[in-house]
Amino acid sequence: NAGVTQTPKFRVLKTGQSMTLLCAQDMNHEYMYWYRQDPGMGLRLIHYSVGEGTTAKGEVPDGYNVSRLKKQNFLLGLESAAPSQTSVYFCASSWWATKNTEAFFGQGTRLTVV
Amino acid sequence: SQELEQSPQSLIVQEGKNLTINCTSSKTLYGLYWYKQKYGEGLIFLMMLQKGGEEKSHEKITAKLDEKKQQSSLHITASQPSHAGIYLCGAVHSSNTGKLIFGQGTTLQVKP
Repeated sequence: NAGVTQTPKFRVLKTGQSMTLLCAQDMNHEYMYWYRQDPGMGLRLIHYSVGEGTTAKGEVPDGYNVSRLKKQNFLLGLESAAPSQTSVYFCASSWWATKNTEAFFGQGTRLTVV
Repeated sequence: SQELEQSPQSLIVQEGKNLTINCTSSKTLYGLYWYKQKYGEGLIFLMMLQKGGEEKSHEKITAKLDEKKQQSSLHITASQPSHAGIYLCGAVHSSNTGKLIFGQGTTLQVKP
């Protein structure tokens, strides 16, 4: 069972370039999330989805777009990368249909924008 | 998130000492999560609390949610070097949105 898989694991971009980060989960979870982690700032929610075809803004959505065309995949796009988007990105998924359900995290994507 | 504040931001303790990390919400919590992260790695789920007054334990780590469901504490008894890392509290404030946000984290160092 793979759980939550993020691709790629590392990426270096030049300012202005675009890229898409893929998050895939094989647990049939309804909820999926994208976070960024910067030193001393914990995890900040970028966008999230409560089901296939739905997306919602989180705390820091500017400069990012997302899509959830298939239930198992949640894509995070950077249209024009900026150095301020240098960060570690984490994807997570959860049921949120029953009590005591944890959110499962991917291993992270380390993105550097130069 | 400013909706969720953790304290302290960092902590250095001597091996064998007890410690407590706090997580305070500006709103009533629907669910409260505790995760641990080792430097440069992914997140490890510790516990989730939902009921006011609830308390859960895993090995030497105990987490409590207060009766008003606006504050949680994570207590480590007899700390070990393996407890070192970043502790993150996460919260869902509404059962309708599923929006899961996190505090800024607490970095724990345990000196042998």
